[in-house]
Amino acid sequence: EVEMLESGGGLVQPGGSLRLSCAASGFTFTNYAMTWVRQAPGKGLEWVSSISGSVGSTHYADSVKGRFTISRDNSKITLYVQMNSLRAEDTALYYCARGRYGTYDIWGQGTMVTVSS
Amino acid sequence: QSALTQPPSASGSPGQSVTISCTGTSSDVGGYNYVSWYQQHPGKAPKLMIYEVTKRPSGVPDRFSGSKSGNTASLTVSGLQAEDEADYYCNSFAGTSVVFGGGTKLTVL
Repeated sequence: EVEMLESGGGLVQPGGSLRLSCAASGFTFTNYAMTWVRQAPGKGLEWVSSISGSVGSTHYADSVKGRFTISRDNSKITLYVQMNSLRAEDTALYYCARGRYGTYDIWGQGTMVTVSS
Repeated sequence: QSALTQPPSASGSPGQSVTISCTGTSSDVGGYNYVSWYQQHPGKAPKLMIYEVTKRPSGVPDRFSGSKSGNTASLTVSGLQAEDEADYYCNSFAGTSVVFGGGTKLTVL
């Protein structure tokens, strides 16, 4: 069964850091681009960052550029996002999703990040 | 990276059809045939309903259809059913980024 499981969320103070992980299973991980999408409480979806399958080229939303770093370990079949200089507006449920160009066919259940003092 | 424009709400009675619009610019919706639509029920992860403007993933009922004209994409749900009540989001590829719409709450009356 194709599945993705996020982890690493939690409460962090403004200016702090957090690393989220997304463990994938049931498909050939290297064949797919992967993406992080977030959803603030009661708000809509926001694309955060994407990384290609094997070459590892990356793209970021302007709102996180310079603060977030997406990466993947194909040997561990895991997607990551390192989030630094966190702000209150980064508070959201973070989903990992399989795919690119906006077509995301498999989603995890999300991990919650709360930035607050 | 401005959000695509969707109506905040839409509604229809069971059996009716409803269409949700998604307006962008020539830099996103109008420039690429990479518009997707997602259905999200409360407390659940989004589900892909339409991709590449008109394509339906396996398992999505053919009551769901997509189209595009210029800078505006549309999702049509025909033969509305109670389980179609959910939030719907469009998105579009925009060259080096992806932009989502603000979402539309579909109510089945």
